[in-house]
Amino acid sequence: EAAVTQSPRNKVTVTGGNVTLSCRQTNSHNYMYWYRQDTGHGLRLIHYSYGAGNLQIGDVPDGYKATRTTQEDFFLLLELASPSQTSLYFCASSDGTGVYAEQFFGPGTRLTVL
Amino acid sequence: GEQVEQRPPHLSVREGDSAVIICTYTDPNSYYFFWYKQEPGAGLQLLMKVFSSTEINEGQGFTVLLNKKDKQLSLNLTAAHPGDSAVYFCAVQAYQGGRALIFGTGTTVSVSP
Repeated sequence: EAAVTQSPRNKVTVTGGNVTLSCRQTNSHNYMYWYRQDTGHGLRLIHYSYGAGNLQIGDVPDGYKATRTTQEDFFLLLELASPSQTSLYFCASSDGTGVYAEQFFGPGTRLTVL
Repeated sequence: GEQVEQRPPHLSVREGDSAVIICTYTDPNSYYFFWYKQEPGAGLQLLMKVFSSTEINEGQGFTVLLNKKDKQLSLNLTAAHPGDSAVYFCAVQAYQGGRALIFGTGTTVSVSP
């Protein structure tokens, strides 16, 4: 089964702070995704990537950058964090092929911006 | 783009009762459909995936029905038990757009003894 890990699991920062969320997958998947989860919205796609060096914009990209340094590693960057970015962040990976292209999710990172 | 409406937002049922969650989507190009379960403090656990129109899939204590004609996906928890208490999300996937998922807003299910 695909393994997706995220770090840190919890993070508290202040408004204007610089935050990096990390995601690593060990199943050789091409696609990786960053979602945020908020009450009343479900999960919403921030950015995704289909390989090292590639980045695609998702549905709620404002205030977020991302970088895919290797096939395994995908980072989400908040350079000037704001309270509106307080959320639960999930990373996922998928091979992007096949009928279902099932996504495997990490355990989540809870970010609080004071 | 695709929009997914999920109802109801909250469900309270007694143990042994059934519960139904319905998702309605808008994009006819959506081809693949998923139900996820999220227990308190945990990540997302895949319950079921479905592809074909009017498909009925049965799992451990639940049934999933897809009606592509009406663009509707439903999850029926049969004989609910306290372990079913969780937040349930439907998700829709098109073949384009990196195969990203569009999620419903979630349903919090509480099962009381």
